[in-house]
Amino acid sequence: EVQLVESGGGLVQPGGSLRLSCAASGFTFSIYWMHWVRQAPGKGLVWVSRINTDGSSTSYADSVKGRFTISRDNNKNTLYLQMKSLRAEDTAVYYCVRDPRTATGDDAFDVWGQGTMVPVSS
Amino acid sequence: QSALTQPASVSGSPGQSITISCTGTSSDVGSYNLVSWYQQHPGKAPKLIIYEGSKRPSGISNRFSGSKSGNTASLTLSGLQTEDEADYYCCSYGGSSSWVFGGGTKLTVL
Repeated sequence: EVQLVESGGGLVQPGGSLRLSCAASGFTFSIYWMHWVRQAPGKGLVWVSRINTDGSSTSYADSVKGRFTISRDNNKNTLYLQMKSLRAEDTAVYYCVRDPRTATGDDAFDVWGQGTMVPVSS
Repeated sequence: QSALTQPASVSGSPGQSITISCTGTSSDVGSYNLVSWYQQHPGKAPKLIIYEGSKRPSGISNRFSGSKSGNTASLTLSGLQTEDEADYYCCSYGGSSSWVFGGGTKLTVL
């Protein structure tokens, strides 16, 4: 079964740091681009970051550029999001998302994790 | 990148058809045939229902269809069923390795 399982969420104070992880299983992780997408409570989806298959290319939403770092370990089938200088407005459920463009040529976010909640509050 | 514009809510009766619009700009929706749509039930992760404008993933009902005209993409859902009640989001590639979502539309099946 294709699965993405996020972990690492939890309460953090403004200005603090946190690292999210996403464990992939049931597919060849190393041939897929991966993304992080977040959703503030009661709000819509917002794209956060993307990484290519070998980690050599990344991109970020303006709202997190310079504060968040996406990375991956293909040997461990794991995606990461290092978050620093967290703000109240970063409070959200963070989803790990698979992008099959390099595997099948399809442009889509085809598999989503269940999400991990990150509340930023003092 | 500004969010794509979707109506906040739409409604329909069982068996009817509804259409949700998603308006962007010439920099995103208008430039690429790369709009996807996602269905999200309360407390659940989003689910892909349409990609590349009009393609359906395996297992998605043919009651869902997508189209695009200019800077506006549309999702049509025919033969409404109670289980279709959910939030729907569009998403477009925005160029320069960025993506942008719509604000979401709450579908109510009356």
